[in-house]
Amino acid sequence: GQSLEQPSEVTAVEGAIVQINCTYQTSGFYGLSWYQQHDGGAPTFLSYNGLDGLEETGRFSSFLSRSDSYGYLLLQELQMKDSASYFCAVRSDNTNAGKSTFGDGTTLTVKP
Amino acid sequence: NAGVTQTPKFRILKIGQSMTLQCTQDMNHNYMYWYRQDPGMGLKLIYYSVGAGITDKGEVPNGYNVSRSTTEDFPLRLELAAPSQTSVYFCASSSDGYGYTFGSGTRLTVV
Repeated sequence: GQSLEQPSEVTAVEGAIVQINCTYQTSGFYGLSWYQQHDGGAPTFLSYNGLDGLEETGRFSSFLSRSDSYGYLLLQELQMKDSASYFCAVRSDNTNAGKSTFGDGTTLTVKP
Repeated sequence: NAGVTQTPKFRILKIGQSMTLQCTQDMNHNYMYWYRQDPGMGLKLIYYSVGAGITDKGEVPNGYNVSRSTTEDFPLRLELAAPSQTSVYFCASSSDGYGYTFGSGTRLTVV
């Protein structure tokens, strides 16, 4: 089976840095993705890591360690609009469809 | 550029009724997916498609059916609605299977 673990809630203050961790146990691994979802909205794609290391996109970075079955999303210079749920997702097969299994999400609250 | 469009946005069904959730994308993506999201939970894959005429079951397919007659459209059919199908349904598409573009969702309540 597939299993992804994320903290359910994280709180930080505006301007700070926050890290959201994701550990996974899956039958196959072909990459880790991160999505942001504001309350009542659609998930939006943030980043993808297929290989070990850090990927940076503006204020957001994502890291992967395949040997540790672990990744994280790093959000810098937090803004109030970053308050949302963040989901990690593992692509666990290498077929063309690239089906992904999602974690249950981490709710980030940014306080002034 | 509309992306992924889902209709309706909201629907209330009575137990035993049927309905079709519509999904269309204008990005010429081959890969399309249906997920459901229960409150406070992640997304569970219902069905997916790798192209017109090709569909396959995901993690939670029972009670649902899909078809893919064109690249653009991927409707999800609910037969004999049950309260357990109360959820938010998201359609998504992808060009490469790595990053998905999601629609805005359909909020379904079965009473």
